[in-house]
Amino acid sequence: GAVVSQHPSRVICKSGTSVKIECRSLDFQATTMFWYRQFPKQSLMLMATSNEGSKATYEQGVEKDKFLINHASLTLSTLTVTSAHPEDSSFYICSARVPGERGETQYFGPGTRLLVL
Amino acid sequence: DAKTTQPPSMDCAEGRAANLPCNHSTISGNEYVYWYRQIHSQGPQYIIHGLKNNETNEMASLIITEDRKSSTLILPHATLRDTAVYYCIVRGYNQGGKLIFGQGTELSVKP
Repeated sequence: GAVVSQHPSRVICKSGTSVKIECRSLDFQATTMFWYRQFPKQSLMLMATSNEGSKATYEQGVEKDKFLINHASLTLSTLTVTSAHPEDSSFYICSARVPGERGETQYFGPGTRLLVL
Repeated sequence: DAKTTQPPSMDCAEGRAANLPCNHSTISGNEYVYWYRQIHSQGPQYIIHGLKNNETNEMASLIITEDRKSSTLILPHATLRDTAVYYCIVRGYNQGGKLIFGQGTELSVKP
């Protein structure tokens, strides 16, 4: 299947600082990527849809000014957590959409674990 | 997108077939059934998807009932590495690509 990478795999930062997470499609071009967040022992929660060359679409309850998404190329989307606080500590996962003849498929990155102190 | 119902947990003996059920009684005609799994602390892994016919790949088989209101994911010879949370998701072909995850089934493969 298609390969999606994320960087960094884990990050620790101080409260009030900003953290950028990168999501790359390694062997295909992705016009659409998605960002999810997962708290311990919970399922994945969709945060936003990232479209190449246009503004991201955020799910209800997700602050767009806090979670900045940029999708400047067909292989890279970035999520910046601005002014991070301890409650932003979570597992952040991206995915990329791959069209196909039998409906499209999404492939996920390995995730980025963020700890805000 | 139609909602899905899965048992919260299941056990399976190593080497035996694991049959994971999923109910999606409100599925509509253009919605696909997708299965993903998530091993602890990793991103979800795509397993298989289908519309109405049964599907098989190197990882698993997907059996969809004729009325499409339920499906079963079959791992033919479960190994300890198949221990994971398995998610059944129903999604329309042209609905913005969103995958909405439920709680899934936590499969424990035991020696």
